[in-house]
Amino acid sequence: DAGVTQSPTHLIKTRGQQVTLRCSPKSGHDTVSWYQQALGQGPQFIFQYYEEEERQRGNFPDRFSGHQFPNYSSELNVNALLLGDSALYLCASSLAGKETQYFGPGTRLLVL
Amino acid sequence: SQKIEQNSEALNIQEGKTATLTCNYTNYSPAYLQWYRQDPGRGPVFLLLIRENEKEKRKERLKVTFDTTLKQSLFHITASQPADSATYLCALDITGGGNKLTFGTGTQLKVEL
Repeated sequence: DAGVTQSPTHLIKTRGQQVTLRCSPKSGHDTVSWYQQALGQGPQFIFQYYEEEERQRGNFPDRFSGHQFPNYSSELNVNALLLGDSALYLCASSLAGKETQYFGPGTRLLVL
Repeated sequence: SQKIEQNSEALNIQEGKTATLTCNYTNYSPAYLQWYRQDPGRGPVFLLLIRENEKEKRKERLKVTFDTTLKQSLFHITASQPADSATYLCALDITGGGNKLTFGTGTQLKVEL
């Protein structure tokens, strides 16, 4: 049973560019959440998708957007990248109504 | 403002001893609290969940307590091993069931031989 997978594992972009990160949830899970983790900090909630809709959102600007597909996989898009967007981006999947979240290995984004 | 605090300094202990990590929170009344383990460059791994009506929960060598009056959770690892070395994160769902986790900054634990 595959766990949560994310792609790519690493990415280097320059300021102003746009990036798309991808996530496949654990088999049977229908809810995907995205987190940003800066070095030395805990993960920060970006948003959550369920039934292809954004259900909750954290304190992130509109440059951060997402999508969930019918197969429950998800994408995170970040526009107009800033140096401060450099971080580990984590995807977590869960089953609606259940508290436990299963995290993927993350995508390490570096903005130069 | 909402805040979750964990020991910011790394915790170094000897193999075989009990490690105790602290998580304090303010301005929340969470229905539950979770503990995760994170290894360098990896995603967090769920360890334990404790609900507001539970005082203590155990899983193998792990024990979590939850004091809603003190707004504190303690995470214990008994008979610690070098393989337990990692960063441990506590997390709360402040939305009351929406699974929007707010994490502490984590405590780095190092178990030495």
